Amino acid sequence: EAGVAQSPRYKIIEKRQSVAFWCNPISGHATLYWYQQILGQGPKLLIQFQNNGVVDDSQLPKDRFSAERLKGVDSTLKIQPAKLEDSAVYLCASSLPGGQVVTQYFGPGTRLTVL
Amino acid sequence: QQPVQSPQAVILREGEDAVINCSSSKALYSVHWYRQKHGEAPVFLMILLKGGEQKGHDKISASFNEKKQQSSLYLTASQLSYSGTYFCGTTLNSGYALNFGKGTSLLVTP
Repeated sequence: EAGVAQSPRYKIIEKRQSVAFWCNPISGHATLYWYQQILGQGPKLLIQFQNNGVVDDSQLPKDRFSAERLKGVDSTLKIQPAKLEDSAVYLCASSLPGGQVVTQYFGPGTRLTVL
Repeated sequence: QQPVQSPQAVILREGEDAVINCSSSKALYSVHWYRQKHGEAPVFLMILLKGGEQKGHDKISASFNEKKQQSSLYLTASQLSYSGTYFCGTTLNSGYALNFGKGTSLLVTP
């Protein structure tokens, strides 16, 4: 079974530029999460989708971050404009539908460096 | 609310045991344990639900003390492959995303 796919794996941009990350979850997983992991810390949830609807985006900095999951499968996370403090690994995870205790499976992440 | 993990770091010799703790100030619904190696994605280890159950997975096991709102991860007879950073992720209710601790760095030496 294929795991969670993410691209690109690495991205270097200058501050004030924009960047987009892509995630393809495990087939059949209706729930998709984006996490931000700053060096030396645990992952922090940015947004959670159930199919193509947003379940939780309370920690998403909406003035610069946006995310969508148009057809309930793939998702993109965008940052515009980027700040130095956005340098982190952006992890995508997926799981079976919510309402149960389910395992979240993580992708390899995208390492973003903002100069 | 972010769970608190302890210790922050531990160094073991191969074959030694270790315990990693994860504590919360709020009542938890579930605790999820992950291991992450440098530059890689977190890998799922196990889930514990409220009710104080204990789970085992090879030489890695975990418990959840509902009274203390604390979960402990036990690594026995550690192997070199156990090295990495261990994270606990907690939920306050079913269907919620995980709230991760800051992690415990574990290094197993020959």
